[in-house]
Amino acid sequence: QSALTQPPSVSGTPGQRVTISCSGSSSNIGSNSVNWYKQVPGTAPKLLIYNNDYRPSGVPDRFSGSKSGTSASLAISGLQPEDEAVYYCSPWDDNLNGWLFGGGTKLTVL
Amino acid sequence: QVQLQESGPGLVKPSETLSLTCTVSGASLTGLYWSWIRQPPGKSLEWIGFIYYTGTTSYNPSLKGRVTMSVDTAKDQFSLSLTSVTAADTAVYYCARDLNWYFDVWGRGSLVTVSS
Repeated sequence: QSALTQPPSVSGTPGQRVTISCSGSSSNIGSNSVNWYKQVPGTAPKLLIYNNDYRPSGVPDRFSGSKSGTSASLAISGLQPEDEAVYYCSPWDDNLNGWLFGGGTKLTVL
Repeated sequence: QVQLQESGPGLVKPSETLSLTCTVSGASLTGLYWSWIRQPPGKSLEWIGFIYYTGTTSYNPSLKGRVTMSVDTAKDQFSLSLTSVTAADTAVYYCARDLNWYFDVWGRGSLVTVSS
């Protein structure tokens, strides 16, 4: 069981806005920035958001991240079929002295 | 373009040692951290540890001293060794460039199955 809690699944129709939450604690999200990764089944994860709310080059501005206290969120607006994937949150954890990953949230585009 | 490629046996017997190498192309190992991450079938990701180009390491305590990482800057490679493997170590193993605050480049992954 992960120290980070994400909903197992979310869904939406094309064009809609969805959010994925990530709940942690003071030793991880509460004191460190959060990154988000997107993983299409059968492929390696890809960096989507870093340092809470920054997008790497090439990631559409439909994707945004935020953090408040010990929780973080990923928002996807203008949902598209290619957004269907599993999304993971990942902060550094001061107790582990290493990286944590959430359990992952499967996004289905209906 | 930076690329990472994992290599090593796809099948390891229980109690033996899993060994993987990650070859980096398009970038130097110098000045950066390099990590190993694994993903059991159908499950989430687990950080195994990182190695700095100087050889300094940090490992996930959950692996209880079974992990060793090494780096060869001359060959642009870093390696993972996991001893006393069991079926629970069956996973896709990824190497990734760790910019100290996020993983920006990942290898394609190497499936390692532990079975007799």
